[in-house]
Amino acid sequence: GAVVSQHPSWVICKSGTSVKIECRSLDFQATTMFWYRQFPKQSLMLMATSNEGSKATYEQGVEKDKFLINHASLTLSTLTVTSAHPEDSSFYICSAPGGQGYYNEQFFGPGTRLTVL
Amino acid sequence: AQSVTQLDSQVPVFEEAPVELRCNYSSSVSVYLFWYVQYPNQGLQLLLKYLSGSTLVKGINGFEAEFNKSQTSFHLRKPSVHISDTAEYFCAVSEDGGGNKLTFGTGTQLKVEL
Repeated sequence: GAVVSQHPSWVICKSGTSVKIECRSLDFQATTMFWYRQFPKQSLMLMATSNEGSKATYEQGVEKDKFLINHASLTLSTLTVTSAHPEDSSFYICSAPGGQGYYNEQFFGPGTRLTVL
Repeated sequence: AQSVTQLDSQVPVFEEAPVELRCNYSSSVSVYLFWYVQYPNQGLQLLLKYLSGSTLVKGINGFEAEFNKSQTSFHLRKPSVHISDTAEYFCAVSEDGGGNKLTFGTGTQLKVEL
């Protein structure tokens, strides 16, 4: 099946520092990946669409300078939370369309829990 | 624009009882519908999806859902739940047949009790 991994699974950082989260498609190629943010007991909110070889597309209200996205290869997208503050603490989840054989289906990573002190 | 409404934030149910989790959607075009399950501190796992064809869709873990176009609903059901079904369930809609750009409902916490 199509597997998506995320690293790290959890991270604690000090306010003002930057944190990078990796999203990898392990056994398939993904020209597109999606980044979501989930607050406790709430739904997933799409933050941005990561496109391999081009700029990410951000949803309305998401600061592109705050949440830097780089889709470096067909299997890797990274989300960097710059100058993190406590309000950035959240659960970040990435996903990718499964590709050939898995049309119409997205596969989700296990998520990264970010805590900013 | 598309949207998804899950009216029940929490659904308590006893083990081996049937359960229905409600989902209604709105969209100006044809949609593709999904149900995902999320266990604590984990990502989402696809339960089932409706793309076209039969309106009754069967998924994993004994779940099924029925697409009702006239009522714009896609309710999830299971005839007999187990303790292990305790989780958060999300209904999602996509206007893109490729499963991209999902819009999620607010989720329903299913709590199965002994």
